[in-house]
Amino acid sequence: NAGVTQTPKFQVLKTGQSMTLQCAQDMNHEYMSWYRQDPGMGLRLIHYSVGAGITDQGEVPNGYNVSRSTTEDFPLRLLSAAPSQTSVYFCASSARGGEGDTQYFGPGTRLTVL
Amino acid sequence: GNSVTQMEGPVTLSEEAFLTINCTYTATGYPSLFWYVQYPGEGLQLLLKATKADDKGSNKGFEATYRKETTSFHLEKGSVQVSDSAVYFCALRGGSNYKLTFGKGTLLTVNP
Repeated sequence: NAGVTQTPKFQVLKTGQSMTLQCAQDMNHEYMSWYRQDPGMGLRLIHYSVGAGITDQGEVPNGYNVSRSTTEDFPLRLLSAAPSQTSVYFCASSARGGEGDTQYFGPGTRLTVL
Repeated sequence: GNSVTQMEGPVTLSEEAFLTINCTYTATGYPSLFWYVQYPGEGLQLLLKATKADDKGSNKGFEATYRKETTSFHLEKGSVQVSDSAVYFCALRGGSNYKLTFGKGTLLTVNP
């Protein structure tokens, strides 16, 4: 199993450009989420999904869109990139059911917005 | 809402020293508690977890006990190695949702 995969690994954008960060998992997990990691801030939840066709906002959703058309994929779209979106982005997934289910993280996408 | 407060770093230790990283939390109900580790350039990996009061999670020589009376989940290891150098995150997951709330992370550096 590949687990959680993310592409690209690195990306540089100019202010105002749009792009999509890809996330896929092959564990048949219902729950998927996107976090951003900034120095001294820990990880903050951007958007999450509890199943195909269902998405909801996390702590810091502004400037990002998501969709969940399949169980496997959960892309994150930056509509008009801003320097404040320079960060490392992690996708995670977990099975549904029970409070102790482990979240599995992808390797991350390092995004720089100039 | 839920929150996690963990000891600020960086923490620098010599090999074979004893490690404690403090973590306290605020949550309603009975959350599950986690420690994740992030090695340089990588994503987060689950290190250990505990799902109810007085449970002890353990893995790779690390331990943490879920203390409801003090709302704490401190991470300990008796003898650290250079390979333990990483960022450690305390996290909780509570209520009917599946969202993780993270602390800000503690950078641990172990010198030979």
